[in-house]
Amino acid sequence: AQSVTQPDIHITVSEGASLELRCNYSYGATPYLFWYVQSPGQGLQLLLKYFSGDTLVQGIKGFEAEFKRSQSSFNLRKPSVHWSDAAEYFCAVGDRFYNQGGKLIFGQGTELSVKP
Amino acid sequence: SQTIHQWPATLVQPVGSPLSLECTVEGTSNPNLYWYRQAAGRGLQLLFYSVGIGQISSEVPQNLSASRPQDRQFILSSKKLLLSDSGFYLCAWGAGGSGNTIYFGEGSWLTVV
Repeated sequence: AQSVTQPDIHITVSEGASLELRCNYSYGATPYLFWYVQSPGQGLQLLLKYFSGDTLVQGIKGFEAEFKRSQSSFNLRKPSVHWSDAAEYFCAVGDRFYNQGGKLIFGQGTELSVKP
Repeated sequence: SQTIHQWPATLVQPVGSPLSLECTVEGTSNPNLYWYRQAAGRGLQLLFYSVGIGQISSEVPQNLSASRPQDRQFILSSKKLLLSDSGFYLCAWGAGGSGNTIYFGEGSWLTVV
């Protein structure tokens, strides 16, 4: 079965520092991969997605992620973090029926705190 | 453009009372619809999904049920709430097909007391 692991439950970075949030997935075929962000008490906003093609994908708010098949990873990065980036970040993979109206399987999330 | 609305935003209900959370999508037709639950400090768990009117798939056995009476309406219900039903409930929709992206509503906080 498909699964997603976000190894870091909580990360703290200084404002202006670079950021990398880790995501590992388990899936036999080429996965559909997503990163969402959730501010406290809010719904989830899509940051970026990977379906195929270029393994480095750009998203909103200056985020990017790189799909590495050999490592089964889809890590999220940002070169310079802003205080407004403090939130919870979820990595997700589409299940094997995703194209037929399938479902997303989420990781447990990584909470990002930003120090001034 | 497409929008998704869910309500109420917050709800405090006693144990044993009924529940109804409603979600509607605008600007699209025949969407796939989803209900997720997010318990405190945990990830998102898919509860139900629907690919059409009256078609509901349940992912986990539980005290909740879902219905889709209209194309763009998805309702989460319970006849008798349990304390363990407390959490943050998120409705979501997707267009389906290749390249499908799932979009989320703002969520509903349910506290069962």
